[in-house]
Amino acid sequence: EVQLVESGGGLVQPGGSLRLSCAASGFTFSSYWMHWVRQAPGKGLVWVSRINNDGSSTSYADSVKGRFTISRDNAKNTLYLQMNSLRAEDTAVYYCACSGTSPTWGQGTLVTVSS
Amino acid sequence: QSVLTQPPSVSGAPGQRVTISCTGSRSNIGAGYAVHWYQQLPGTAPKLLIYGNTNRPSGVPDRFSGSKSGTSASLAISGLQAEDEADYYCHSYDSNLSGWVFGGGTKLTVL
Repeated sequence: EVQLVESGGGLVQPGGSLRLSCAASGFTFSSYWMHWVRQAPGKGLVWVSRINNDGSSTSYADSVKGRFTISRDNAKNTLYLQMNSLRAEDTAVYYCACSGTSPTWGQGTLVTVSS
Repeated sequence: QSVLTQPPSVSGAPGQRVTISCTGSRSNIGAGYAVHWYQQLPGTAPKLLIYGNTNRPSGVPDRFSGSKSGTSASLAISGLQAEDEADYYCHSYDSNLSGWVFGGGTKLTVL
């Protein structure tokens, strides 16, 4: 069974940092591009970042460029999102998702940026 | 402002048919990238309803169908049921962004 499980969310102060992880199982992780998508409370889905299958290419939404870094460890079947200089507007549920003919999503992890 | 445009809300009576549109541009839907549709109930992760423009994952009723033409796509729901009341999102890839794009979401109300 294809499964993505996010972790690492929590409460952080403005200006702080957090690293999210996404553990993948049930498929050949190293063959797929991966994405992070977020959803602020009561709002819609917003794409955050993506990384290609071997980690050599990344892309970011303008709202997080220069503050967030996506990476992956194919040996550990794990995707990461390093989030620095966090702002209140980064408060959201963060989902990891796998590209492919039929996209697969995790259940999400909540990040709250507040003092 | 979302890259893909959806109506904020649609409604229909039980048993009726409703459609939700998703309008993009030549860098996403119009470039031939696949469109996917999700249903999201409050407090839950998005559930894949349609992938690759027209395909239903196992377990999704055939009341749900997808189509695509030019720079737009549509989700149709026939035989509306109370449990269909949810938010629906379209999703594609954009070559200018080199990343995913979403519609702003459509809230379906079953009258």
